[in-house]
Amino acid sequence: QKEVEQDPGPLSVPEGAIVSLNCTYSNSAFQYFMWYRQYSRKGPELLMYTYSSGNKEDGRFTAQVDKSSKYISLFIRDSQPSDSATYLCAIPDQGAQKLVFGQGTRLTINP
Amino acid sequence: NAGVMQNPRHLVRRRGQEARLRCSPMKGHSHVYWYRQLPEEGLKFMVYLQKENIIDESGMPKERFSAEFPKEGPSILRIQQVVRGDSAAYFCASSPPSGTWGYTFGSGTRLTVV
Repeated sequence: QKEVEQDPGPLSVPEGAIVSLNCTYSNSAFQYFMWYRQYSRKGPELLMYTYSSGNKEDGRFTAQVDKSSKYISLFIRDSQPSDSATYLCAIPDQGAQKLVFGQGTRLTINP
Repeated sequence: NAGVMQNPRHLVRRRGQEARLRCSPMKGHSHVYWYRQLPEEGLKFMVYLQKENIIDESGMPKERFSAEFPKEGPSILRIQQVVRGDSAAYFCASSPPSGTWGYTFGSGTRLTVV
């Protein structure tokens, strides 16, 4: 079983739709959870991070963590064509300075 | 303030040749990390270095791969005797001593082995 699993998609939705991206993880010791956005031919950039359970909102983006089910989500409201990218969940490996990434979900927002 | 600089952006090598990938961290960043992204897969950690030290190389293949971060100059990821399976995007990230919270990725080097 992979440490972090993510549906690779691809996911295609119309502009303005609400998008839900999800990951599951296996190690209950994980405490911090991150979402990275990667545009085509570019490096990943940190979008949001959360600690433990609960929600965190930043503009049109909401990150949600449910530690009881080891499930993390990223919601995008009022999606825009500029949101078209690959979204990767990432978790810092406990005690180590490295990130464990999901496979990434390729998202396309159609005008 | 330049970000993480990786070069070359694209590299084509024939099977059996050597590939050298370079990474210059952001100014003030002393930690460097290398990740590999295979087609349709997420990023996989390879190695974590500080100046003149390899801190964690648990993700490096046992053979043909090596990395260094000298006192002066960029970090180098070296792949000897490349094979087709080495074709991937290789990303470098750097951070200040605080670690993963300050990660900044470069735009990557896309290696194609023909």
